[in-house]
Amino acid sequence: QSALTQPASVSGSPGQSITISCTGSSSDVGGYNLVSWYQVYPGKAPKVMISDVSNRPSGVSNRFSGSKSGNTASLTISGLQTEDEADYYCTSYTGDNSPVLFGGGTKLTVL
Amino acid sequence: QVQLQESGPGLVNPSETLSLTCPVSGGSVSSSYYWSWIRQPPGKGLEWIGYIFYTGSTNYNPSLKSRVTISTDTSKNQFSLKLTSVTAADTAVYYCARDLAGIGHFDSWGQGILVTVSS
Repeated sequence: QSALTQPASVSGSPGQSITISCTGSSSDVGGYNLVSWYQVYPGKAPKVMISDVSNRPSGVSNRFSGSKSGNTASLTISGLQTEDEADYYCTSYTGDNSPVLFGGGTKLTVL
Repeated sequence: QVQLQESGPGLVNPSETLSLTCPVSGGSVSSSYYWSWIRQPPGKGLEWIGYIFYTGSTNYNPSLKSRVTISTDTSKNQFSLKLTSVTAADTAVYYCARDLAGIGHFDSWGQGILVTVSS
């Protein structure tokens, strides 16, 4: 299985909004509403920001939102802050045989 | 959430077996979650290795399946990873994590441990 496709990098200025895409197929992203997004700082444990496409866990800022259209899921961060600069990864359920697939990761730079 | 912390050797010889453990605190490895391992090679993305359900059922990444074993030790409240016949390509930060439903929703993670495969 190949990793889900994410842009290698995105950038934005403080206060702006950015969107990170996560593209798969009808066998994963498009087939299930089971996409999660993770924020990863260097040397730190990943943190779940979005689950089940658009659910925001308790404690996660409402500046983070998720959506899906067809085989592509998206993470939108509004009102960018410097502390949002990190790597972001998506995951999708892919069925029982090998149920978890990660995206390749996106480096967000806040200029 | 539970607290997880990977432990094991940071250096493994090529062709030998990588062994890591992940004690679970603030919860029980016998509870109905999917106890998972994920890794990140230097400069690369995250890769799902596999999980074990509290019933003992396992599921592994097909690319690693022939070399991976994940197990639990209820007496020590921990779960473990064994990866055989390692090569330099297995050098990575290894994370243990709890998946709420076996679908890639990891709500608790260890800090990660760097394992280098080198002689």
